[in-house]
Amino acid sequence: DGGITQSPKYLFRKEGQNVTLSCEQNLNHDAMYWYRQDPGQGLRLIYYSQIVNDFQKGDIAEGYSVSREKKESFPLTVTSAQKNPTAFYLCASEGDRREKLFFGSGTQLSVL
Amino acid sequence: AQSVAQPEDQVNVAEGNPLTVKCTYSVSGNPYLFWYVQYPNRGLQFLLKYITGDNLVKGSYGFEAEFNKSQTSFHLKKPSALVSDSALYFCAVRDNTGGFKTIFGAGTRLFVKA
Repeated sequence: DGGITQSPKYLFRKEGQNVTLSCEQNLNHDAMYWYRQDPGQGLRLIYYSQIVNDFQKGDIAEGYSVSREKKESFPLTVTSAQKNPTAFYLCASEGDRREKLFFGSGTQLSVL
Repeated sequence: AQSVAQPEDQVNVAEGNPLTVKCTYSVSGNPYLFWYVQYPNRGLQFLLKYITGDNLVKGSYGFEAEFNKSQTSFHLKKPSALVSDSALYFCAVRDNTGGFKTIFGAGTRLFVKA
């Protein structure tokens, strides 16, 4: 069953803590993306990666970090520097033809 | 710079009536235009896209969209709404100059009343 798997579905962060959101895909896609969704603001791009071992900052990268050590995995770390982390986080991937994004089911991050 | 505007926060329509969800865009080159749908606590699902060709694009679940270059619009339409169409709809744009960023609108919530 091909697709993108995000985990966990819900995550709680304590003040000063770093947390990592998982994103795995078995679609053999080179390109992967992380978006943040806040109510009424649409999706904003955090980081993206076009190929293994390479990634670029999106529009709101401050307070976040990523790695791309394997083609199928693109984890996102929300660091303690991100002062307003409460949001719904969406991971997406895209094939070579770049004609549409495939999304995971999302992770809801909340602050305790 | 690329941008997308969805002027309506919410659209209300009765089941069986036609629906329209509006979208206008701004992009420097020729646009790639998309509609995605999101159900509660889920990721986005692709509905349809316009890249080139016929201005009327047909997509999933009976939805279609009309590309209008002169008005820079890409409105989503369906001839007969279903209660199950109630969801959050996003318009998105990407330029065709080789950029990798897809820009999303703020979303429009569609509510179909039985």
